[in-house]
Amino acid sequence: NAGVTQTPKFQVLKTGQSMTLQCAQDMNHNSMYWYRQDPGMGLRLIYYSASEGTTDKGEVPNGYNVSRLNKREFSLRLESAAPSQTSVYFCASRPQGVNGELFFGEGSRLTVL
Amino acid sequence: TQLLEQSPQFLSIQEGENLTVYCNSSSVFSSLQWYRQEPGEGPVLLVTVVTGGEVKKLKRLTFQFGDARKDSSLHITAAQPGDTGLYLCAGDDAGGSYIPTFGRGTSLIVHP
Repeated sequence: NAGVTQTPKFQVLKTGQSMTLQCAQDMNHNSMYWYRQDPGMGLRLIYYSASEGTTDKGEVPNGYNVSRLNKREFSLRLESAAPSQTSVYFCASRPQGVNGELFFGEGSRLTVL
Repeated sequence: TQLLEQSPQFLSIQEGENLTVYCNSSSVFSSLQWYRQEPGEGPVLLVTVVTGGEVKKLKRLTFQFGDARKDSSLHITAAQPGDTGLYLCAGDDAGGSYIPTFGRGTSLIVHP
């Protein structure tokens, strides 16, 4: 099983450019998440989708949008990238309900110049 | 957002030493998880603790959930260089939301 797959793994953008990070999981999980990881800050939740058809803001949603395209796919879009969005982005999924294990992708390293 | 305070932020120790990492909050959690992350990879689950006072062991790693389900600890006995990595605690709030909250992580380096 591939688990959680994120693309691209690396991306360099100029300020103001837009891009979409793609995430797909093949474990039939209901819940999916987008986190960003910055040095010394742990993982901060950007958006999440508790189930297909629903999305909600997390701790740091400003400057981002998401789409839960279907049960497998959850994309994160930066409409107008800013240097403050330079980070490593992780997509994760888990089965329905709380207490379940989070399965992470390998991360997408984004640099905004 | 429920805060999880994790300490220490950094640990640099010699092989064979023992260490403890702490994860504390003023909020009650329905469960608490510990993850380990290596450079260039996503976090991987080590353990989930659910019951207050619960203790789980994974080889040389011992995990404890506080009686009030507000705190947890990770103890490593006789650390080895292979234990090097970022350790993260994460909690699900007792209200049953789908929002796991992470601590800031403890970066552990074990020198041979």
